[in-house]
Amino acid sequence: EIVLTQSPVTLSLSPGERATLSCRASQSVSSYLAWYQQKPGQAPRLLIYDASNRAAGIPPRFSGSGSGTDFTLTISSLEPEDFVLYYCQQGRSWPLTFGGGTKVEI
Amino acid sequence: EVQLLESGGALVQPGGSLRLSCAASGLTLSRSDMAWVRQAPGKGLEWVSLIRTSGDETHYADSVKGRFTISRDTAKNTLSLQMNGLKAEDTAVYYCAKDRGGGYYDFDQWGQGTLVTVSS
Repeated sequence: EIVLTQSPVTLSLSPGERATLSCRASQSVSSYLAWYQQKPGQAPRLLIYDASNRAAGIPPRFSGSGSGTDFTLTISSLEPEDFVLYYCQQGRSWPLTFGGGTKVEI
Repeated sequence: EVQLLESGGALVQPGGSLRLSCAASGLTLSRSDMAWVRQAPGKGLEWVSLIRTSGDETHYADSVKGRFTISRDTAKNTLSLQMNGLKAEDTAVYYCAKDRGGGYYDFDQWGQGTLVTVSS
C-alpha cells in the first residue's frame, strides 16, 4: 500500500499570503496524484489531477507540482474561502489512498 | 449538470447489514468507473471500493474486502454498496464518486454523502 504523508497537518496563514502544502508518497506514484479541497459539511472537490492540471472551474491561484514521491499544492494568494481542508490522493495502484489532510487556518 | 445522490444510510447494530444507493442524473453510470469513499467522523478520507465500466472488475480496500459488495444497476442508473458484517469502525459518511476517466483514478464528481452509524 502506498502511504501518503501530508505536511504540515495545520498551516496558519493570513489572507493574501502564499500557502505551500506537501504530499509525500512512500513509493513512486509517477504523476498520478490528485488534490482535493473539502469545506465543512461538504463533499471533497477535485482541484488538481495528474499532479499539475487544474480541474474544471478551479481558479488559477491553485497550482500543483511534483512527480515520483514529492508533490506540492500551492495557493498563490489565499482568499477567505480557502481556509479549509486539503487532501492528496494517489491513483497509481491499489488500494487507492488518501493523505491525512492539511488544514489551512487563519 | 451531473448530480449524484446517495441514500440508505442509517443506524445499524454491529454485525448487521445495510445497502447504500447512489442515483445519478446527467450521467450514465455505466460509462464511468465509480467508487465509494468514506469519512469517519472528524477523520480523513478513505477509499472503499471501485467498479470499472465493464462491471466485471471491482476493487476493495482490505478493511472491507469480503464484507462489502459494489454493484451497478444499468437500467436504474444507480450504484450500490451492500455492506454486511458491519463493525463500529465502519461508521462514516459514505460518498459515491465518479472517476474522471483519465486513465488512472481520481474523482471529479461527488455526492453529498450518506451517514452510516454502527452502534448497539
